[in-house]
Amino acid sequence: EDQVTQSPEALRLQEGESSSLNCSYTVSGLRGLFWYRQDPGKGPEFLFTLYSAGEEKEKERLKATLTKKESFLHITAPKPEDSATYLCAVQARNTDKLIFGTGTRLQVFP
Amino acid sequence: KAGVTQTPRYLIKTRGQQVTLSCSPISGHRSVSWYQQTPGQGLQFLFEYFSETQRNKGNFPGRFSGRQFSNSRSEMNVSTLELGDSALYLCASSLAIGDTQYFGPGTRLTVL
Repeated sequence: EDQVTQSPEALRLQEGESSSLNCSYTVSGLRGLFWYRQDPGKGPEFLFTLYSAGEEKEKERLKATLTKKESFLHITAPKPEDSATYLCAVQARNTDKLIFGTGTRLQVFP
Repeated sequence: KAGVTQTPRYLIKTRGQQVTLSCSPISGHRSVSWYQQTPGQGLQFLFEYFSETQRNKGNFPGRFSGRQFSNSRSEMNVSTLELGDSALYLCASSLAIGDTQYFGPGTRLTVL
């Protein structure tokens, strides 16, 4: 069964304190792995798509990496505006269906 | 370029009623997917449409149905509402099957 597990569930960081979020997955034929950011009361906002092991993508303070079993979202020198829930999802081949993890709730305080 | 729009943004219904939610995808996008988000279950896939055809369906009862029109706009319907249907319903659109999905702001449904 296709499955996504994210850890930790919640993370509190001081401004400037770098850390990583983990997304472990099992899927029958990976088409892509997606990272989204979700603010309270809003829809998920697309961050990255990764397609193959070894791939990396960066955007401002965020960097996503992918292996055959997991993905990491590295946050370098975070700011309070990075506070949000970060969602990981996988997509199997021949479908648009995204299977989401339960997310990591990140709080960055000054 | 306008993003995905969903209407209405908020709905309050009572048990037993039915509800229709609407989604307008990003211009040019032909694939639309629907998700239910609750605090306990997270984001759960409902169904996906491409070119007016349902391509895939999640594990939800038959009370949940949807359709897509020729202009790619989509609607979902929930009949005989139950308290457990209270959730944020999210629509996502993509250019085609397998492309990146962009989400709308959601419709917050409360069932009393």
